[in-house]
Amino acid sequence: KQEVTQIPAALSVPEGENLVLNCSFTDSAIYNLQWFRQDPGKGLTSLLLIQSSQREQTSGRLNASLDKSSGRSTLYIAASQPGDSATYLCAVDGTDSWGKFQFGAGTQVVVTP
Amino acid sequence: NAGVMQNPRHLVRRRGQEARLRCSPMKGHSHVYWYRQLPEEGLKFMVYLQKENIIDESGMPKERFSAEFPKEGPSILRIQQVVRGDSAAYFCASSPAQSTNTGELFFGEGSRLTVL
Repeated sequence: KQEVTQIPAALSVPEGENLVLNCSFTDSAIYNLQWFRQDPGKGLTSLLLIQSSQREQTSGRLNASLDKSSGRSTLYIAASQPGDSATYLCAVDGTDSWGKFQFGAGTQVVVTP
Repeated sequence: NAGVMQNPRHLVRRRGQEARLRCSPMKGHSHVYWYRQLPEEGLKFMVYLQKENIIDESGMPKERFSAEFPKEGPSILRIQQVVRGDSAAYFCASSPAQSTNTGELFFGEGSRLTVL
């Protein structure tokens, strides 16, 4: 059974510092890994999708890497801003369960001005 | 292009009543997924539907919960005889057909059910 773990559970950094968020999963037979952002009381915003054949994806200040063999992904946010404060969620779906994502518990990020 | 639309955003029900949550997928999307986020817990998959078909309902409680995605209209998640433990945020997500799709999910804002 796939299990997704996110470390740390919470993170507080001053504005301008780089953020490094970790995600690990127990079953390497994944189809996709997707990173989301969730603001309090809101829905999920898709940040980056990495397909199993890819090793990384980039969008603006965001970069996500995937090491499928070791079951790890890292989301890197450069030059953090107070607007980056949110909960970041990692999710994976399996090669035999396409679209059925297993979510981590999330990392709650606070960026202080 | 409107995103995934869910309504109502907030719903209050008394124990024993029925709750109906609606989800309209993004235009051009034919796959709908429902997830539940209980207080202080992560998101859990409930059910995956295509038009007129339930593809995977392995995450749905066996009793009181049902879901449909009719040929016309939104997908509906129905909870009968609600109990306090059903209080949660219910999220709908959609994606295009598998053959043309990377598998990326797009989520709605959620429906927050409170059972008194």
